[in-house]
Amino acid sequence: AQSVAQPEDQVNVAEGNPLTVKCTYSVSGNPYLFWYVQYPNRGLQFLLKYITGDNLVKGSYGFEAEFNKSQTSFHLKKPSALVSDSALYFCAVILFNRDDKIIFGKGTRLHILP
Amino acid sequence: NAGVTQTPKFQVLKTGQSMTLQCAQDMNHNSMYWYRQDPGMGLRLIYYSASEGTTDKGEVPNGYNVSRLNKREFSLRLESAAPSQTSVYFCASSVSLAGADTQYFGPGTRLTVL
Repeated sequence: AQSVAQPEDQVNVAEGNPLTVKCTYSVSGNPYLFWYVQYPNRGLQFLLKYITGDNLVKGSYGFEAEFNKSQTSFHLKKPSALVSDSALYFCAVILFNRDDKIIFGKGTRLHILP
Repeated sequence: NAGVTQTPKFQVLKTGQSMTLQCAQDMNHNSMYWYRQDPGMGLRLIYYSASEGTTDKGEVPNGYNVSRLNKREFSLRLESAAPSQTSVYFCASSVSLAGADTQYFGPGTRLTVL
């Protein structure tokens, strides 16, 4: 069965420093991978996705993620963190199969310290 | 475009009461979803609708029913609410069930069952 893991419940980063939010996945095939962000009292917002092609995917708000097939990872990164990046981040995975539904990780809370 | 809208935003029920959560989207999407979000659990799929006239169970369907009223609207009903159904409920939509399609989320309904 497919699964996705976000090993860190919380990540603290000083403003201006680079940030990484980790995600690993387990699927028996080629995955589609997503990152969503949730700000307080809001629904999830799409950040970026990997479907195929270039392993480095660029998304909204200066975020990017690198698909690493050998390590089965899809870590979210940003070169310079902003206080406004503080939010809950979800990684998600789905197989190209209509019988499979998207699976979300448990979320990582990102705190950017001023 | 309003995107995905949900009503109500907040609701408090007593055990055994019933209620319907409403969801509507104005993006002409074919597929719609209901999720629940619990602390440390991420998002779990309750029911989904691939297209108008079809509905299917997700990961945690027990205690819920859904209706795809038309292409725009997808409602979630709790027939006899239980404290275990205290959660934040999100509706989402996408162009289709295809794995590559991005899901767009509503703002959520915070439900408390006493």
